[in-house]
Amino acid sequence: AQSVTQPDIHITVSEGASLELRCNYSYGATPYLFWYVQSPGQGLQLLLKYFSGDTLVQGIKGFEAEFKRSQSSFNLRKPSVHWSDAAEYFCAVSSGTYKYIFGTGTRLKVLA
Amino acid sequence: GAGVSQSPSNKVTEKGKDVELRCDPISGHTALYWYRQSLGQGLEFLIYFQGNSAPDKSGLPSDRFSAERTGGSVSTLTIQRTQQEDSAVYLCASSASGVVKAGELFFGEGSRLTVL
Repeated sequence: AQSVTQPDIHITVSEGASLELRCNYSYGATPYLFWYVQSPGQGLQLLLKYFSGDTLVQGIKGFEAEFKRSQSSFNLRKPSVHWSDAAEYFCAVSSGTYKYIFGTGTRLKVLA
Repeated sequence: GAGVSQSPSNKVTEKGKDVELRCDPISGHTALYWYRQSLGQGLEFLIYFQGNSAPDKSGLPSDRFSAERTGGSVSTLTIQRTQQEDSAVYLCASSASGVVKAGELFFGEGSRLTVL
């Protein structure tokens, strides 16, 4: 069965510092992978997605993620965090049908 | 509309009462999902509608939960005889296609349900 693990429930970084949010998945074949962001009081918004090809994908708001098959990971990165990045981040996996499996989320706090 | 619209944004009810949550998807989107977001639990799939096909109800946690989608557009999630464990944020999402690769999920802001 597919599953997604986000090992960090909370992460705190200083504004301007780099960020890496971890995501590990369990799936037999090559999965479709996603990162969503949920700002306070907002719905989830797609940051980026990986289907195939180049394992480093670029997304909106300066985020990127790297698919590493050997580690079953799809970590989200940003070189310099802004205060507006404070939000909850969800990793998700799909087999390509309509079903998505979401992780439990990582809440990011940004210190001024 | 411009985005996925959900109502009410907040609902407080007493244990045992029935509640209805509404979702108005993006116009033209054929796929519609309901998820439940509980603290520390991530997003739990509840139900999926695609066009006129039979919905996938496999995620509904009990027979107190039901959902319908009228005319392929607006959807209503109904929870009967609410329990305190039903307290959560209920999220609706729509997509132009039920095929993951062909369509992005667009989420509403959610309906926060509190059962006293």
